[in-house]
Amino acid sequence: AQTVTQSQPEMSVQEAETVTLSCTYDTSESNYYLFWYKQPPSRQMILVIRQEAYKQQNATENRFSVNFQKAAKSFSLKISDSQLGDTAMYFCAFMTKTSGSRLTFGEGTQLTVNP
Amino acid sequence: GAVVSQHPSRVICKSGTSVKIECRSLDFQATTMFWYRQFPKQSLMLMATSNEGSKATYEQGVEKDKFLINHASLTLSTLTVTSAHPEDSSFYICSPQGAAKGTDTQYFGPGTRLTVL
Repeated sequence: AQTVTQSQPEMSVQEAETVTLSCTYDTSESNYYLFWYKQPPSRQMILVIRQEAYKQQNATENRFSVNFQKAAKSFSLKISDSQLGDTAMYFCAFMTKTSGSRLTFGEGTQLTVNP
Repeated sequence: GAVVSQHPSRVICKSGTSVKIECRSLDFQATTMFWYRQFPKQSLMLMATSNEGSKATYEQGVEKDKFLINHASLTLSTLTVTSAHPEDSSFYICSPQGAAKGTDTQYFGPGTRLTVL
């Protein structure tokens, strides 16, 4: 069974600074996808970034980037130039094609950006 | 992205009554629907998966007779919580999936907050 672990229940960062959220996972599959989702106070799940395991290049989306270490099964999210609107719960998630595209979520990290 | 709606956004009901939650995919055909439940300060837990026109597959520990899922069309799925009890109070989120939006990314509805008194 696949598992996803986020070891930081809460984090805080000052506005305009950089913060990194950690995520590790466990799987025996070789073909899979990794995601970071953001859940703001509205509770709408928003896709932040996705990474395909077969791609060695780390995904980036504007201020968001990942550090994907496949051998270490690590998938951290870096948020640069943090903004107040980045305050949210962040979930790391894992999906394989063989699991019928089901997502397995980590426990979440509550990020607070302070002015 | 994808446009997904859920109705109602919030519902309060008395213990013992049934509540129906609708999930619509507005800009694509959802061949598969995932239903999640999220308790306060916790992660999303998959409850069941349904394919259009087929019976839903429930995760271990989820009572299929209590949480009825209907996925009769490619744009609409419903979750009915039957004989609701206070412990069923939670945030319910649907996630449709269809070939037009790709099968390697999931999109989510805005969620329904259920409170059972």
